[in-house]
Amino acid sequence: AQSVTQPDIHITVSEGASLELRCNYSYGATPYLFWYVQSPGQGLQLLLKYFSGDTLVQGIKGFEAEFKRSQSSFNLRKPSVHWSDAAEYFCAVAAGAGTALIFGKGTTLSVSS
Amino acid sequence: DTGVSQNPRHKITKRGQNVTFRCDPISEHNRLYWYRQTLGQGPEFLTYFQNEAQLEKSRLLSDRFSAERPKGSFSTLEIQRTEQGDSAMYLCASSREGVGAGEKLFFGSGTQLSVL
Repeated sequence: AQSVTQPDIHITVSEGASLELRCNYSYGATPYLFWYVQSPGQGLQLLLKYFSGDTLVQGIKGFEAEFKRSQSSFNLRKPSVHWSDAAEYFCAVAAGAGTALIFGKGTTLSVSS
Repeated sequence: DTGVSQNPRHKITKRGQNVTFRCDPISEHNRLYWYRQTLGQGPEFLTYFQNEAQLEKSRLLSDRFSAERPKGSFSTLEIQRTEQGDSAMYLCASSREGVGAGEKLFFGSGTQLSVL
């Protein structure tokens, strides 16, 4: 069965600095990969997704992620973090058509001024 | 598009009682998913429906948990004989087709269950 590991429980970044959140997945074939964000009191919002094609995908709010098959990774990046980016970030994987999303345990992002 | 609606927003119950949560998906969304989220954890997949058919229920946490989607529209999640360990946020999500078909999941705001 597929699984997701987010190695960093909590990360603090200065406002304006770059950000990279790590995600490693376990699945035999090419999975469908997602990043979601959850702000306090808010529902989960999709940032971006990768199904196939270009391994660098662009998402909303200036986020991007790169799929690296050799490393089984799908790390999320942003060149310049804003205070409003403080939230919980979840990486998720689906094995393919007809399957459900499996989420990682999340990384909490704090932004310092 | 009114979004995924979940009721109630909060539920406080005593251990041993039964509780039922309702989810109204976005209209015309065929797929409906239930997840559970505890503090500091990611959403944990429980079950999902394609219209009224429950396609996956092996991840329901115990036989005290059951879900229905009788007419392929709204869904209910029932927990019988609640335990303190059932305290969590219960999330519902819907999509037109499965995520493997390139579909985006739309999540509701959840029902927060507290078992005393």
